[in-house]
Order: sequence, then structure tokens, then C-alpha cells
Amino acid sequence: EVQLVESGGGLVQPGRSLRLSCAASGFTFDDHAMHWVRQAPGKGLEWVSGISWNSGRIGYADSVKGRFTISRDNAKNSLDLQMSSLRAEDTALYYCAKDARYSYGFFDDWGQGTLVTVSS
Amino acid sequence: QSALTQPASVSGSPGQSITISCTGTSSDVGGYDYVSWYQQHPGKAPKLMIYDVSKRPSGVSNRFSGSKSGNTASLTISGLQAEDEADYYCSSYTSGSTWVFGGGTKLTVL
Repeated sequence: EVQLVESGGGLVQPGRSLRLSCAASGFTFDDHAMHWVRQAPGKGLEWVSGISWNSGRIGYADSVKGRFTISRDNAKNSLDLQMSSLRAEDTALYYCAKDARYSYGFFDDWGQGTLVTVSS
Repeated sequence: QSALTQPASVSGSPGQSITISCTGTSSDVGGYDYVSWYQQHPGKAPKLMIYDVSKRPSGVSNRFSGSKSGNTASLTISGLQAEDEADYYCSSYTSGSTWVFGGGTKLTVL
């Protein structure tokens, strides 16, 4: 059974940094691209960032480009999102999502999310 | 990276069919067959319902189907059931090597 467990969320002041992690199990991690998708309270889904199986292809939404960095450790079956210069509009539930393919594809499994609140 | 356009809400009675549209551009929906659909119940994580425009994952009811014409993709749910009441989101790969979601559609089963 695929399991994706996010951690690292919490309350952080504007301008500060936070690092999210996603622990993956139940599948061959390095066969799949991975993504972060967020959902602001009461709002829709927003793709944040994605990384291919070997980290060779990385993409970011314009809203986070230059502030967020995605990375993965295939030896540890983990996915990270380093978030800096956080803004109030980054407040959201952050989901870790598994891609069905190694590079392009779709999101076939999701974690339960970790909540990030940016507020002074 | 503008969000794909979906109707805010749709409704139907049990047993009926409904269709949710998802309109993008030639740089996303119209340019790739990488359109997928997700169902989200309140307080739950999204669930994949359709991928690659019209393919259904194992375990998803065949009452769910997808299609695409030009820059508009569609999700059709036939034989509506009470448990289908949820939010639905479309998603597409884009020419910028990113993904974009639609704004979401709230389905109400009357």
C-alpha cells in the first residue's frame, strides 16, 4: 500500500523559512516523479512544484519560483520542500503527491497534507 | 499559469448524468493529452478519477468518463449517486513544463 506522510508544517512568521518533508513507502520511490500541491483554506488545488525520478527535471509554479526549492533523496525515499521568504498567501495545506510516471504524468496517490500557516 | 476554467457548481438528481467542463488553452489542455480529474470529499485528500483525458484507474467506477475537444476537457458522471457529491478538479500539463489545476466544481446530488 502506498503511503505518503508529510511533516514539517506549522505556524511561521512572514519572511521566515520552513522545510516540509514527505516520507514515502509502499512503492519503488525512484521509479516515480513527485510533486507538492497546496490548498489554501476553502480554496482550490494549486500545483507548487514537481521533480522527476532522478531530479533531472524540476519545475515550479510562478507563485513560488525563486523562493521554494524541491529536492528528493532516493536512498531515503523522501521528498522535501524548502520554503523561504514565506508570505501570508503561502498559507495552505501542502500535499505530497506521487506521479504515476517517472517524469510526466498525473497524481495517482496523495498524502493527507501538512498545514502551513504564515502569520505574525 | 492561469487556472483552468471550471463551472463553480453543478447539480443533478440520483440516476441522472452530469458533465463538468474544463477549459484551457492550446498551451495546456489543447496541447497535451495529459488531462486528469480528481475527486475531493470534505476534509479528505484528492483522489484520481481520470487520467490521460479518458483513462480510468482500476477501482474507479465506469460511471466516470472523460473526453476532450480542442481546448476543453470534460468529465461525465452517469447514474449519479449520493456518494458522488464532492468537489472535482481538472488538471493539465502545460508547455511551461508545469501543471495547472482548474478552480474546482462543487457537485451537488439533489
